[in-house]
Amino acid sequence: NAGVMQNPRHLVRRRGQEARLRCSPMKGHSHVYWYRQLPEEGLKFMVYLQKENIIDESGMPKERFSAEFPKEGPSILRIQQVVRGDSAAYFCASSPTAGGSGGLPQHFGDGTRLSIL
Amino acid sequence: AQTVTQSQPEMSVQEAETVTLSCTYDTSESNYYLFWYKQPPSRQMILVIRQEAYKQQNATENRFSVNFQKAAKSFSLKISDSQLGDTAMYFCAFMNTTSGTYKYIFGTGTRLKVLA
Repeated sequence: NAGVMQNPRHLVRRRGQEARLRCSPMKGHSHVYWYRQLPEEGLKFMVYLQKENIIDESGMPKERFSAEFPKEGPSILRIQQVVRGDSAAYFCASSPTAGGSGGLPQHFGDGTRLSIL
Repeated sequence: AQTVTQSQPEMSVQEAETVTLSCTYDTSESNYYLFWYKQPPSRQMILVIRQEAYKQQNATENRFSVNFQKAAKSFSLKISDSQLGDTAMYFCAFMNTTSGTYKYIFGTGTRLKVLA
């Protein structure tokens, strides 16, 4: 019973390049959340998606960042023209519903550590 | 806006002893959930315990228990019989269920070191 799968585990990019982070939710989960963890800080919400829909992107930077969760395939967090400040660990979490059954906990992947040279 | 505060950046405890990590939060909502997550050096986020705000009874999971004081907006985690494997960052998280997104709001974490 595979958990939330994120890849790559580590990603190194030079300033100005694009970074693509992938997340496959747990089997049976249709709700995906992305969080960012800067060094020595807690996780901060970025975006919440359901299949083919962005439900809440209130935590996403206005520029360069985008996310999708297509009907088929993993969720993708895309960062264009990366800068040094984008260096962080990016976590994906999934849940079977949006908490309609009562605040079900989210299950986290192991994260992608993004380093910008 | 909801906020979560963990006022203890670092703590240490001797193996087999008990330690309490504090967490306070601010919300005007009445329906919500609270969680503690553990993040060991491997960086995984591991669910420790969950509490429903409408339940007065404190949640327990083996050696882990909470002291939930709704009026005071306090949600502390007690770890009994501490083990070396409990060494990790601990994050308190708030989930609001009335906004429709059920996202987590995390505190800044407490780094716990269990000493042999």
